[in-house]
Order: sequence, then C-alpha cells, then structure tokens
Amino acid sequence: DSGVTQTPKHLITATGQRVTLRCSPRSGDLSVYWYQQSLDQGLQFLIQYYNGEERAKGNILERFSAQQFPDLHSELNLSSLELGDSALYFCASSVESINYNEQFFGPGTRLTVL
Amino acid sequence: QKEVEQDPGPLSVPEGAIVSLNCTYSNSAFQYFMWYRQYSRKGPELLMYTYSSGNKEDGRFTAQVDKSSKYISLFIRDSQPSDSATYLCAMSLYNQGGKLIFGQGTELSVKP
Repeated sequence: DSGVTQTPKHLITATGQRVTLRCSPRSGDLSVYWYQQSLDQGLQFLIQYYNGEERAKGNILERFSAQQFPDLHSELNLSSLELGDSALYFCASSVESINYNEQFFGPGTRLTVL
Repeated sequence: QKEVEQDPGPLSVPEGAIVSLNCTYSNSAFQYFMWYRQYSRKGPELLMYTYSSGNKEDGRFTAQVDKSSKYISLFIRDSQPSDSATYLCAMSLYNQGGKLIFGQGTELSVKP
C-alpha cells in the first residue's frame, strides 16, 4: 500500500458525460500528479500540482481539468467524455517537485466510457 | 518517434534465469532514470532509481545507464515467479523532476 488513495476504483459512464476522479496523497506530500494509462498510449503524464498550484502540464486535453485543494487532495475532472477516454487514471504523490523525488502511485481509477 | 522506446514483449523465462530489460531514449537532456514494476491492474511501484550514467545494485536488481548510447537496462538475477509483472522504464529532466516520461512497458512472465 503506497499510502495514496483514489476513488472510485471503477467508473462506467456514457459518452458526453462528465466525471470526477479523486485522489488523496500520502501524508506530508505536497505534490500530486495525474497519469493516464491506455493500451495504445501507455502511461502518460497529464498534470502536476504542488501545494495547490499547477506546476507542470503534459498532453492533457482541454476537456480535462484538475485542481488541488487546501487539504492537498486533488480532483481530475473529465468532461464531454469520448470512447477513447476509457483508460486507467493514476494519481501519484511526492514530497517535492523541483528535482526528482520518488513518486508513489495510487491504485488507479478504471474509467469505461460506453 | 516516441521519446522513450521499450520492447513490449511479452518475455517468458524459466525460474532462476537472468532477465535483461532495456529502454532507449532520444532526449539527451534526461537526467533521472527509473524502473517501475506494475502488477496487473495495480499502480506502478518504484524499483530502482539512478541519476546519470553508471550502475546501481539493489538485491537481485541492477540498473544500468549509458548516457552516451541513450540506453538503460534493468537486470534481474535469479528470477522468481513473483517477478512476473510489467516493467516500465521512466525518465525525467533535471528541474522537471515531477514529469515522468514512461516507456510502453515490458510484460515479463517467469515460469516455475
């Protein structure tokens, strides 16, 4: 158990809908990262927050957005869902963000868009 | 062309074999190199982390980085059935330590 929690574990929804994925980082970790894992694209970095502020952005679609709250938990919002958004979404956390620090991954949320 | 290339396998070996997993990359600015292990439908867990070129050993695992060839390797000695998993290499730039670039992952199966 990495100490990072994600809810829900599974999510099944329809095209065009909006969902919210939630992540609680390890106690004391200020950075939260979101990754998407699909069969064709592999594990891809989406976005990073550090102590409530956006720190780095990857190939995140405009339909996706995230935020980190004062209690450091984070939410990833996915809207106007398409079939291709079906994937595993992982959250990771670490202590710092400037240089490398070990990222601890949560168990993931499996999103299925029908 | 992807920034990080990794042979997806699958790779099947008998128990006790030495396993070699490899990644190549195109961005010479990568400074941090990691290997993650991912069991089916679980989150990745960090196995090894190295900074710049050289070797690093941890138990049955050895990570090797050759920056001149843009090539990294993970060796697993005395492989066990419990090592059966997908192994992902990952890299990051200096001063962007948070953004990890992953390879596709190699699926490894160790047969008893």
